Order: sequence, then structure tokens, then C-alpha cells
Amino acid sequence: KQEVTQIPAALSVPEGENLVLNCSFTDSAIYNLQWFRQDPGKGLTSLLLIQSSQREQTSGRLNASLDKSSGRSTLYIAASQPGDSATYLCAVAHAGKSTFGDGTTLTVKP
Amino acid sequence: GAGVSQTPSNKVTEKGKYVELRCDPISGHTALYWYRQSLGQGPEFLIYFQGTGAADDSGLPNDRFFAVRPEGSVSTLKIQRTERGDSAVYLCASSLSLGGPSSYNEQFFGPGTRLTVL
Repeated sequence: KQEVTQIPAALSVPEGENLVLNCSFTDSAIYNLQWFRQDPGKGLTSLLLIQSSQREQTSGRLNASLDKSSGRSTLYIAASQPGDSATYLCAVAHAGKSTFGDGTTLTVKP
Repeated sequence: GAGVSQTPSNKVTEKGKYVELRCDPISGHTALYWYRQSLGQGPEFLIYFQGTGAADDSGLPNDRFFAVRPEGSVSTLKIQRTERGDSAVYLCASSLSLGGPSSYNEQFFGPGTRLTVL
């Protein structure tokens, strides 16, 4: 059974810092890995998707990496802003079935 | 274009009642997914459809839960004899397809339906 862990559960940083969020998974037989953002009381917003054959994806200030063999992914956020405050979730997919971590709640202080 | 929509946004019901939750995927998306999310946790997979057929329903917790997608577009999640433990946010997502280029598999989520069973 696939298990996904996100550490830390919560993170608070001052505005402008670069930061890394971690995601680990137990079964490397994945189809893809997707990072999401969730604001309180809202649905999930897709940030980046990495196919199993890829090593990283970039979008603006975000960079996600994938090391399938070690079962790890990181989400790097550059020059953090208060508007980045949210819960960040990673999900690994095998065929159409996705397993999510419980997220890292990020607070960026002005 | 319009994103994934879900109705109702909130549903309060009494224990033992029947409820239906609706999901309208992004137009043209053939894959549709249902999840439920409890407070402080990540979404938990329930079922996904490729077209009209349920390709994997292994996440449905028991036979009180059922989902359909008769025309390959709108989907309805049905819960019979609701229990207080069914209270959660039910999320729906869609993707262009399953397989093919990576962009085709990207899941887009709706705002969810918050179900409260009293």
C-alpha cells in the first residue's frame, strides 16, 4: 500500500526566504507526482506535475524535483511572499489512483 | 473555460438519509476522480472513471457508497443510509485523459461539497 509523508507538517518563514518542502513515498512504481496548493476552505490548485520519467519541473518561482528510486520529491519556493501562505500537498499516482500526503502548512510572515 | 464545478457546496443531512453529490468536469475531460477529505488530512481516493466506466472503485469505503457517470461527463456520488462518520469534504477532479503526455494527466479539482451528517 502506497504511503505518502510530508515533513514538516507546518512551516513559518519570513518574507523573501527560499524554502523547500519535502514529500516521500514508499512505492516507487508511480505514474506521476503532482504538487497542489490548498487555501483554507477551498479546493486544490495544481502547481506542478512530474511524470515518472522526469527529474524536475519549473513554473515561475516554483521548482519540483523527483527522485523515484529513493521515493522523494521536493518543492522549492524561491523568494517567498505572504500570498504563498497555504497548505501544500503532494500526490503520487499509479494509473488513475492518487495517494496524497497530509500536507505542509506554510505561513510566510510579512 | 469553466473549471470543475460541484453542487451543492454544502449539504447538511440527518443520519440514515440518502444524499447525492454532483460533479461537472471540465468539458472534454475523459477522466474523473472522487476523493474525500477530512479536516487536517490529505484527500483520500474513492473512485475514478475513464469515460463512462468506473476504472477503479477500490477506495469506496463500503457498499453504501456508489458513483455513476452515465454519459461520460457529469458524475454523481451517492451515499445511502448516511452515518456521522461520512461527514467530510467530497472533492471531484478531472483530467484530459489517463495516459499520454504528462499534461493530459494533470488533475484539476473542484471546490468540493462539504457534507455534514447530524
